[in-house]
Amino acid sequence: LAKTTQPISMDSYEGQEVNITCSHNNIATNDYITWYQQFPSQGPRFIIQGYKTKVTNEVASLFIPADRKSSTLSLPRVSLSDTAVYYCLVGYRKAGSARQLTFGSGTQLTVLP
Amino acid sequence: DGGITQSPKYLFRKEGQNVTLSCEQNLNHDAMYWYRQDPGQGLRLIYYSQIVNDFQKGDIAEGYSVSREKKESFPLTVTSAQKNPTAFYLCASSIGVRVSNTGELFFGEGSRLTVL
Repeated sequence: LAKTTQPISMDSYEGQEVNITCSHNNIATNDYITWYQQFPSQGPRFIIQGYKTKVTNEVASLFIPADRKSSTLSLPRVSLSDTAVYYCLVGYRKAGSARQLTFGSGTQLTVLP
Repeated sequence: DGGITQSPKYLFRKEGQNVTLSCEQNLNHDAMYWYRQDPGQGLRLIYYSQIVNDFQKGDIAEGYSVSREKKESFPLTVTSAQKNPTAFYLCASSIGVRVSNTGELFFGEGSRLTVL
């Protein structure tokens, strides 16, 4: 079963832009890429989703190259409250079974004052 | 309010006992999932169900069992066969894997299981 790969951790300072990249070499043709944020002892919550090129919402941007083998979550002007674990989620087709949704390893973002 | 409710929030178990974690959703979602999270680790898929009376194993199904008798309910049983059950368990739902490939999941607040 193919997996996604993310950096284990990243540090940043308040007010900076943060870019987190996820590799997903075996993404299926119709699959979307979704990013989640998780605080300690809470369930993850949805941040942004995209299929190709660029998507932007009120909290983040998502950049996806033409080959879709990776994606980059961009957080503009981070604050201390953005300190969390960020997960990349892509659906994979499992042989002989329906598709399942697999999380990446997650990236611990720490925002420093 | 619509959402996913997990219970209990905290649970203690003695070795050799089976325990069942509850997950209920009123979002009218077809698909439901159970994930396990260990301290400092990512989420690993235990079981998922795309429709009532159907479910499939995820990456770490050994020692766990599920049922999907109703659309809104997807309970997880941690059996005595699970050698290291202490973890944070998260239930999620989505509109439906067959209907949409968007993959957006809605999570409950989690259940923390500790084996004494």
